[in-house]
Amino acid sequence: KQEVTQIPAALSVPEGENLVLNCSFTDSAIYNLQWFRQDPGKGLTSLLLIQSSQREQTSGRLNASLDKSSGRSTLYIAASQPGDSATYLCAVKTSYDKVIFGPGTSLSVIP
Amino acid sequence: DTGVSQDPRHKITKRGQNVTFRCDPISEHNRLYWYRQTLGQGPEFLTYFQNEAQLEKSRLLSDRFSAERPKGSFSTLEIQRTEQGDSAMYLCASTFSGGAVEQYFGPGTRLTVT
Repeated sequence: KQEVTQIPAALSVPEGENLVLNCSFTDSAIYNLQWFRQDPGKGLTSLLLIQSSQREQTSGRLNASLDKSSGRSTLYIAASQPGDSATYLCAVKTSYDKVIFGPGTSLSVIP
Repeated sequence: DTGVSQDPRHKITKRGQNVTFRCDPISEHNRLYWYRQTLGQGPEFLTYFQNEAQLEKSRLLSDRFSAERPKGSFSTLEIQRTEQGDSAMYLCASTFSGGAVEQYFGPGTRLTVT
């Protein structure tokens, strides 16, 4: 059974810092891994999608990496801004076409 | 088409009442998913459709829950005899079938059962 965990559960950093969010999954048989952002009380916004054959994806200040063999992904945020404050969720798409989410990391960027 | 939409955005109901939520996916997407999210947790899979066929249901989807996608376009999720434990955010997502595609999420329906 696929399980997804995220560390840390919460993170508070001063503006301008670079930071790394971690995601781990137990079954390496995945189609892809997706990072989402969720603002309080809102739906999910897709940030980056990494296919199982890829090692990383970049979009602006965001870089996501994937190591299937070790069951890990990281989301790197460069030069953090207060507007980056949100909950970040990772999700893996399994071979049974299901998407399993982690519990999320709550990020606060302090001005 | 501006994305996935859900209606209503918020619903407050009394325990024991029935509620129905609607999801309109991105028009060309043939696959539609429903998730439930409680505070501090990631979304949990409930069910999904490919066109009008319901392909899988989670064990979280008790017999009080039913979902339909009658013409392969919009979908409804009904909860009968609501309980306080049903209070959550209900999220809908759509995508193309196939392993390598991303899901697009709607804004969610926040249900509060009093």
